[in-house]
Amino acid sequence: AQSVTQPDARVTVSEGASLQLRCKYSYSGTPYLFWYVQYPRQGLQLLLKYYSGDPVVQGVNGFEAEFIKSNSSFHLRKASVHWSDSAVYFCAVSASNNNAPRFGAGTKLSVKP
Amino acid sequence: DAGVTQTPRHEVAEKGQTIILKCEPVSGHNDLFWYRQTKIQGLELLSYFRSKSLMEDGGAFKDRFKAEMLNSSFSTLKIQPTEPKDSAVYLCASSFGGPNTEVFFGKGTRLTVV
Repeated sequence: AQSVTQPDARVTVSEGASLQLRCKYSYSGTPYLFWYVQYPRQGLQLLLKYYSGDPVVQGVNGFEAEFIKSNSSFHLRKASVHWSDSAVYFCAVSASNNNAPRFGAGTKLSVKP
Repeated sequence: DAGVTQTPRHEVAEKGQTIILKCEPVSGHNDLFWYRQTKIQGLELLSYFRSKSLMEDGGAFKDRFKAEMLNSSFSTLKIQPTEPKDSAVYLCASSFGGPNTEVFFGKGTRLTVV
């Protein structure tokens, strides 16, 4: 089955700084890629998704991600973070129509004021 | 619209007990998922149903974990017998189906096994 690696368990940035959260997937076919965010005491919510077309996809709240096939990566970026972006971010990959999405271990983002 | 509803939100069990977690998916969704969330492992798949048929189950969880979909609007996850290492947050999620569709998550059940 497909799998996801998020190498950074925790990331701390200052408010207003740029952000990149890393995600690498493993799947030999064409992946369907997602980023979800989990705010404290909330369920996971979709930030953005990618399947085909422009490899840079825009999401909610100024987030974007870039699909780089040669690197099997789908990193999440934001130009200027806000304290309210503090949350846990999950990268996920879906493969065929009969497999459940697989999620990474998550990256906990802390934004310092 | 109601999202995914999970009950109870918190559960404390003694080692060896049987516990049943409940989930109501979003109305009209065809796919239902159970995941276990821990800080170390992140989200691990327990079971995946499509139109009430079991499509996948997490191999490592077969022995003591059993998920069922009694009807399209209700699912249960039974853990029997519980062990302290089962302490985690159990997430239920649903979607319309298909690899490109958004998955909607419940807030989870936090299980503590003592």
